[in-house]
Amino acid sequence: QVHLVQSGAEVKKPGASVMVSCKTSGYTFTNYAIHWVRQAPGQRLEWMGWINPDNGDTKYSERFRDRVTIARDTSASAAYMDLSGLGSEDTAVYYCARGSTSDWPFDFWGQGTLVTVSS
Amino acid sequence: EIVLTQSPGILSLSPGERATLSCRASQSVSNNYLAWYQQKPGQAPRLVMYAVSSRATGIPDRFSGSGSGTDFTLTISRLEPEDFAVYSCQQYGSSPLTFGGGTKMEIK
Repeated sequence: QVHLVQSGAEVKKPGASVMVSCKTSGYTFTNYAIHWVRQAPGQRLEWMGWINPDNGDTKYSERFRDRVTIARDTSASAAYMDLSGLGSEDTAVYYCARGSTSDWPFDFWGQGTLVTVSS
Repeated sequence: EIVLTQSPGILSLSPGERATLSCRASQSVSNNYLAWYQQKPGQAPRLVMYAVSSRATGIPDRFSGSGSGTDFTLTISRLEPEDFAVYSCQQYGSSPLTFGGGTKMEIK
């Protein structure tokens, strides 16, 4: 069965960076894109970007383009999301999800990682 | 960017009743790539419906989806206690991918 398991909760200071990992199992890692989505308290889900694990191509939301980097390690079947220049508005639960680069929804999700930004 | 507006914000119904959730897009959704997710407190979203009317794996047939272009509906024919949750629509046909603000279904 398909599983996406994310790294644990993080507390960061303003201006710092955070990296969240997403380890996958139960399917061929290079056959599906990994997307990153966040949800701030009481807010709607917000898409941040995706990576194609097959070739490493990435696409980012303009809102995060200057601050986010998504990478993958095919040998570990894992994806990573790095967000820099953290502010209090980045306090949210961050999810990885399996999808495609163009025509498939998010059919499996990680459990979520709470990132708290506080001085 | 396609903005998705969901209504109502909160829907209070009793088990056994029929639920109708609306999702309206600010422009036409490409290829009708419109999905619905169910989310319970403290949990990740779960895919319920994709491509407007295709049920995801394991979703019972009391869930149905309809619509095209800019207006979409998720219908739950006879509510079960486990159906009370927040439902969010998503368009995945155009970048940036976007989500609606959600409809919270609560027990009346």
